[in-house]
Amino acid sequence: GAVVSQHPSWVICKSGTSVKIECRSLDFQATTMFWYRQFPKQSLMLMATSNEGSKATYEQGVEKDKFLINHASLTLSTLTVTSAHPEDSSFYICSAGSSGDRIEAFFGQGTRLTVV
Amino acid sequence: GQNIDQPTEMTATEGAIVQINCTYQTSGFNGLFWYQQHAGEAPTFLSYNVLDGLEEKGRFSSFLSRSKGYSYLLLKELQMKDSASYLCAGVDGDYKLSFGAGTTVTVRA
Repeated sequence: GAVVSQHPSWVICKSGTSVKIECRSLDFQATTMFWYRQFPKQSLMLMATSNEGSKATYEQGVEKDKFLINHASLTLSTLTVTSAHPEDSSFYICSAGSSGDRIEAFFGQGTRLTVV
Repeated sequence: GQNIDQPTEMTATEGAIVQINCTYQTSGFNGLFWYQQHAGEAPTFLSYNVLDGLEEKGRFSSFLSRSKGYSYLLLKELQMKDSASYLCAGVDGDYKLSFGAGTTVTVRA
């Protein structure tokens, strides 16, 4: 199956700093990628849809100026958490869709962000 | 998007069978995924159903009824390693997934 690689797997940063998370589709081109956030013991919540060559579409309640998304190529989307605060500590996961005989959705490994 | 409902938790003994039900309300529905997620890890793909019926993959099977907005994941011959959260997710034509809250399955010896 297709592979989506996410980096880094975990990061610890100081409050007020920014963190960039990368999501790459390794063997297919993804015009659309998705960013999810998951707090402990909760399900994945969609944050935004990353569209190649255009602005991301954010879900209600997600601050677009805080969570910057860039989808500069068909294989790379980045999520930058700006001015991170402890409440931003969470598990961030990207996914990408691939069409073929049927729809497939593939997840990156996830990034555990801890803001101290 | 979709509204996805699934039970919060289930407990079963090793070797038993457990069925996790999932109901959904559709908006541009284009199939239903089941994922397994162990604590601290990303979800891993289990199954995808877009047509009505049962799909079997080894110990895991998934069923879909589009007319009823209903799916289930069947886990057979439970093993301790099957203790995890199982996520039901509907997908629309743009590959956007809407997840249920997840069902935590605990397998006991």
